[in-house]
Amino acid sequence: EPEVTQTPSHQVTQMGQEVILRCVPISNHLYFYWYRQILGQKVEFLVSFYNNEISEKSEIFDDQFSVERPDGSNFTLKIRSTKLEDSAMYFCASSERGQNEKLFFGSGTQLSVL
Amino acid sequence: AQSVTQPDIHITVSEGASLELRCNYSYGATPYLFWYVQSPGQGLQLLLKYFSGDTLVQGIKGFEAEFKRSQSSFNLRKPSVHWSDAAEYFCAVVGGLTGGGNKLTFGTGTQLKVEL
Repeated sequence: EPEVTQTPSHQVTQMGQEVILRCVPISNHLYFYWYRQILGQKVEFLVSFYNNEISEKSEIFDDQFSVERPDGSNFTLKIRSTKLEDSAMYFCASSERGQNEKLFFGSGTQLSVL
Repeated sequence: AQSVTQPDIHITVSEGASLELRCNYSYGATPYLFWYVQSPGQGLQLLLKYFSGDTLVQGIKGFEAEFKRSQSSFNLRKPSVHWSDAAEYFCAVVGGLTGGGNKLTFGTGTQLKVEL
């Protein structure tokens, strides 16, 4: 089965630093997502991306966050100035079509902000 | 707004025993429901989904789930658990779409431990 790949698997950074989390969605998919899971809490929706623009974002996704599809294969999440509370597992996902379609998730990037 | 409740944080079963993981949802319209599994170091893998039709849905790895509208439930079951089923299981509902795509709302998850 095709896979969504995420790099790195672990990222440690200092508070206030910028981080970029990288994802390679499945090649024929059109919708891309970022979710995150703070330790002990629910998996939360951050943002969805379609046709080179954000289609929906949650309250969590403030001005510190941005997403980009810089080329035909990568999908990135940037946090401009990390805070302690950004520490979480970040999951990238993609789907072939939109509403109610099966999401394929990557194995996640564990971000630790010190 | 939609929500999902998984009342059991941890469940332990013996290998070969049956399993039922509970999921209750709150959603104003017909829900689209999913069960995902997360093994250590792995991403979220879809076990099964319910959109419409037959309320008993079959998934991968021998799992099934039954949608009960009257109880607002979508419980996951497996008749005989294998040690490899030890993982965290998440129930999710699709909702709140405005711009297309899939905004999943997840439950808090149930950690399954299998005793040999």
